[in-house]
Amino acid sequence: AQSVTQPDIHITVSEGASLELRCNYSYGATPYLFWYVQSPGQGLQLLLKYFSGDTLVQGIKGFEAEFKRSQSSFNLRKPSVHWSDAAEYFCAVVEHGSSNTGKLIFGQGTTLQVKP
Amino acid sequence: ETGVTQTPRHLVMGMTNKKSLKCEQHLGHNAMYWYKQSAKKPLELMFVYNFKEQTENNSVPSRFSPECPNSSHLFLHLHTLQPEDSALYLCASRSDRDTGELFFGEGSRLTVL
Repeated sequence: AQSVTQPDIHITVSEGASLELRCNYSYGATPYLFWYVQSPGQGLQLLLKYFSGDTLVQGIKGFEAEFKRSQSSFNLRKPSVHWSDAAEYFCAVVEHGSSNTGKLIFGQGTTLQVKP
Repeated sequence: ETGVTQTPRHLVMGMTNKKSLKCEQHLGHNAMYWYKQSAKKPLELMFVYNFKEQTENNSVPSRFSPECPNSSHLFLHLHTLQPEDSALYLCASRSDRDTGELFFGEGSRLTVL
């Protein structure tokens, strides 16, 4: 069965520092991969997605992610974190060429805290 | 404004009450979803509707009853809930021409006393 693992439950970084959030997936073929962000009391907002092509994808709010097939990873990065980036981040995968149910499998999430 | 609106945003109910959560999407999508988000647990898919037809029921207890009268509206009817059902219930929609991206509402925070 497909699965998504986010090894870090909680990460704290200083404002202005770089950020990398890890995501590993378990799936045989090329998956569709997503990163979502959830601010307190809000729903999930899509940051970026990977379907095919260039393995480095750019998203909103200055985020990027790199798909590495050999490592089954899709880590999220940002060069300089802002205090407003404090939120919960979810990695998700959907089966490529599925029956169009669009069922997303989510990781457990990583809570990002930003220190002033 | 995400295009997916959920009401109410907060709901407190007793175990014997009957209530409903409503979701409306203004994106012209044909698929709608209910997810449950509990503390310390991954998001759990509950139901999927495509073109008003239920295509997925992820072993959800019958005290949760979904209804999809049209592609723009989705309800979750609640009856005889348990305290462990307290959670954030998220609605999402997706275009059938898309490759999986979901658009989420802001959620309905449910507390069962």
